[in-house]
Amino acid sequence: NAGVMQNPRHLVRRRGQEARLRCSPMKGHSHVYWYRQLPEEGLKFMVYLQKENIIDESGMPKERFSAEFPKEGPSILRIQQVVRGDSAAYFCASSPTSDAVVNIQYFGAGTRLSVL
Amino acid sequence: AQSVAQPEDQVNVAEGNPLTVKCTYSVSGNPYLFWYVQYPNRGLQFLLKYITGDNLVKGSYGFEAEFNKSQTSFHLKKPSALVSDSALYFCAVRDVLTGANNLFFGTGTRLTVIP
Repeated sequence: NAGVMQNPRHLVRRRGQEARLRCSPMKGHSHVYWYRQLPEEGLKFMVYLQKENIIDESGMPKERFSAEFPKEGPSILRIQQVVRGDSAAYFCASSPTSDAVVNIQYFGAGTRLSVL
Repeated sequence: AQSVAQPEDQVNVAEGNPLTVKCTYSVSGNPYLFWYVQYPNRGLQFLLKYITGDNLVKGSYGFEAEFNKSQTSFHLKKPSALVSDSALYFCAVRDVLTGANNLFFGTGTRLTVIP
């Protein structure tokens, strides 16, 4: 059973460009979470999605950031008009649908975004 | 509001000695508590969790953690450290009362095991 797959592993963008980060959850998981890790800091929650629905986006910046998890295909975190402050590691996690009491979140290896 | 504190940025321990990585939390209701480990350029790996029941929980790689409600702590421990345990350790909490599914993470503690 493959783990959570994120790509690309490293992404370099110039200021003003768009960044697209992809996440394929573990097989059988339909809950996806995105977290951001700034250098020397812990992970900060951004958004929680289920298939075709955004459940909680309380951690998402109000502008330039969006996320989706379509019926088919990976979850996408999109950052428009990137700025240097967006440079960070972005981690995706998934959890199984049947876990109603507590969800162990399984993390991908992350995408390291560098904005020049 | 939920929060997690890891008071030590860095912990150094000699190989073979016991190790402790500290974590305290704050939640409105009952907590679900987790420890994750992060190796360089890798994602977080789940180590163990506390949901309910026995305050001492055992996890992967010989790690264990003790839930202490009165001290709102969930310290990670291992009786005998290995050099391969050197990594970044994160404590996380989920607040059952709010119903939110996301995890709140501490800032991490870098563990270095000295040969």
